[in-house]
Amino acid sequence: LQLQESGPGLVKPSETLSLTCTVSGGSIFSSSYYWGWIRQSPGKGLEWIGSIYYSGSTYYNPSLKSRITISAHTSKNQFSLKLTSVTAADTAVYYCARQSGTKIPVFLGIASDIWGQGTVVAVSS
Amino acid sequence: IQMTQSPSSLSASVGDRVTITCWPSQSIRNYLNWYQQKPGKAPNLLIYDTSTLRSGVPSRFSGSGSETDFTLTISSLQPEDAATYYCQQSYSTPLTFGGGTKVEIK
Repeated sequence: LQLQESGPGLVKPSETLSLTCTVSGGSIFSSSYYWGWIRQSPGKGLEWIGSIYYSGSTYYNPSLKSRITISAHTSKNQFSLKLTSVTAADTAVYYCARQSGTKIPVFLGIASDIWGQGTVVAVSS
Repeated sequence: IQMTQSPSSLSASVGDRVTITCWPSQSIRNYLNWYQQKPGKAPNLLIYDTSTLRSGVPSRFSGSGSETDFTLTISSLQPEDAATYYCQQSYSTPLTFGGGTKVEIK
């Protein structure tokens, strides 16, 4: 199984960041996993953004919840992230990941076991 | 839940026993994961649920602890273990990570 992030590397302040994660070698339409977004910046380290289940259920980081939408596109075997009203603080490497856990579908004991390579997103005018 | 890791960095020799500690700000039962990250790469899951070694991870890595005190141990440090290690709690949302421990080889 492989994951690959795609999207613009540069976004202007106040605009919307849109990223897509394409999954190959397995289906996102699986009851065994969540699919998540995590970002990493020098200032804030690793930050979980949110996760989605094949049913469409989502869990979001409260610090970003008002600005994020995670969607799954099962026909394309992709899931996506939209982050609105971006600022320089949203500059980071964005990773998508498969998330597993023995309690799934309960969102407990979740570990990100397969990651994409990451995509750098800079917010700048 | 805030995750505090210690130390933030360490330097050790090949063959040394290395211990990294992670303290959640509240009890997380045993829902603690450890990741290894090398420069320019995504984090790699090493251990989940405190002590379960992911398939393919060398047995020199081990995890222990519970509630509010967790440890990652490398029993005999190897050159390829130079990396930054992160703990992550999976007990409640938002999932949160520790600040990382950078391990260097002397």
